[in-house]
Amino acid sequence: GENVEQHPSTLSVQEGDSAVIKCTYSDSASNYFPWYKQELGKGPQLIIDIRSNVGEKKDQRIAVTLNKTAKHFSLHITETQPEDSAVYFCAASTNTGNQFYFGTGTSLTVIP
Amino acid sequence: KAGVTQTPRYLIKTRGQQVTLSCSPISGHRSVSWYQQTPGQGLQFLFEYFSETQRNKGNFPGRFSGRQFSNSRSEMNVSTLELGDSALYLCASSLRSGPYEQYFGPGTRLTVT
Repeated sequence: GENVEQHPSTLSVQEGDSAVIKCTYSDSASNYFPWYKQELGKGPQLIIDIRSNVGEKKDQRIAVTLNKTAKHFSLHITETQPEDSAVYFCAASTNTGNQFYFGTGTSLTVIP
Repeated sequence: KAGVTQTPRYLIKTRGQQVTLSCSPISGHRSVSWYQQTPGQGLQFLFEYFSETQRNKGNFPGRFSGRQFSNSRSEMNVSTLELGDSALYLCASSLRSGPYEQYFGPGTRLTVT
């Protein structure tokens, strides 16, 4: 099955700086890559996603890039704010349905 | 539009018992997936139901089962509970099976003693 690796496991940045989280996947058939934000006591919240026919997608301060050849994708958060502090998960999925394979998570702390 | 709801939110059970968790998807969504989240194993896929049929199944023992009703609501059942089943069980709903955007509920925290 698919194997998704995520780095770093923890990340601290100063407010206003950028944060980058990287994921790699193993199955070349994976074609959908969502990112989730999970706050304490809550379920994961979809923040952005990208499909394999697109190299980059942006939504305000959040962007995701995908390199199919290298099998890696990254989340970029610019102008970080304290409310961005949370655990972020990447995931990958193929065309066989909604079975998502998740990375191990990155705990992001934004220091005011 | 209301989000995904899960009941109960917290549950304490004893080893050997069985438990049923419930999930109501976002209105109009026909796919429901279940995930187990633990500190050690992270988020792991259990199964997906679409139009009352199990579409995918993860690598979990047969003690874990689920079903989906005609109104898209879903239940999952765990029989003969083990201590290792203690986890946050998350339900995610999607408009269709795909892959497609999935929206998670708040989860049910199950503690097995």
